[in-house]
Amino acid sequence: DVKVTQSSRYLVKRTGEKVFLECVQDMDHENMFWYRQDPGLGLRLIYFSYDVKMKEKGDIPEGYSVSREKKERFSLILESASTNQTSMYLCASRPGLAGVRGELFFGEGSRLTVL
Amino acid sequence: AQSVTQLGSHVSVSEGALVLLRCNYSSSVPPYLFWYVQYPNQGLQLLLKYTTGATLVKGINGFEAEFKKSETSFHLTKPSAHMSDAAEYFCAVSGNTGNQFYFGTGTSLTVIP
Repeated sequence: DVKVTQSSRYLVKRTGEKVFLECVQDMDHENMFWYRQDPGLGLRLIYFSYDVKMKEKGDIPEGYSVSREKKERFSLILESASTNQTSMYLCASRPGLAGVRGELFFGEGSRLTVL
Repeated sequence: AQSVTQLGSHVSVSEGALVLLRCNYSSSVPPYLFWYVQYPNQGLQLLLKYTTGATLVKGINGFEAEFKKSETSFHLTKPSAHMSDAAEYFCAVSGNTGNQFYFGTGTSLTVIP
């Protein structure tokens, strides 16, 4: 069965802390994504990676960075967390071979609260 | 760029009634269209997708959607709502490259007993 695993379901951090959100997929997918989800705004793309060490900014990259050292793992980093980064974070992967016909496979989400 | 519009951010139906969730898209041809469901505090799960072929697409949990090119629509339906259908539903369209996947803002479905 296809699996995208996000390491932390719920996190509470303090303003200014460095936060790591980890995502691992077991499907050998080339493409991986980080979205944030806020009520009324839907899903907004933060970063996208199409290969190891390759990344592209999404619609809202400010305040975030990413790391992809291995194909199966895609990490989202908040260098200095702020209260406006309180949100639900969703990781997803997509097979490269399927191209634009392929769907995204999502993890369970990480709900981050910054105090 | 592609975009997706979901009409109605909140929809309420009675248990056993028809579910109709509306989605319109703007896309270059051909569009690849998707419906996802999200239960509270969970990730998104694929309900169904249209890529090519038959325009009426059947998905999981009794849902189906019809691709209507002339109306640029991909509405989601289910003949009889069940309490377990209460969730957030997202329509999405795939863009021209692998990183492009555009979501609507979602429709929250409430099922009234």
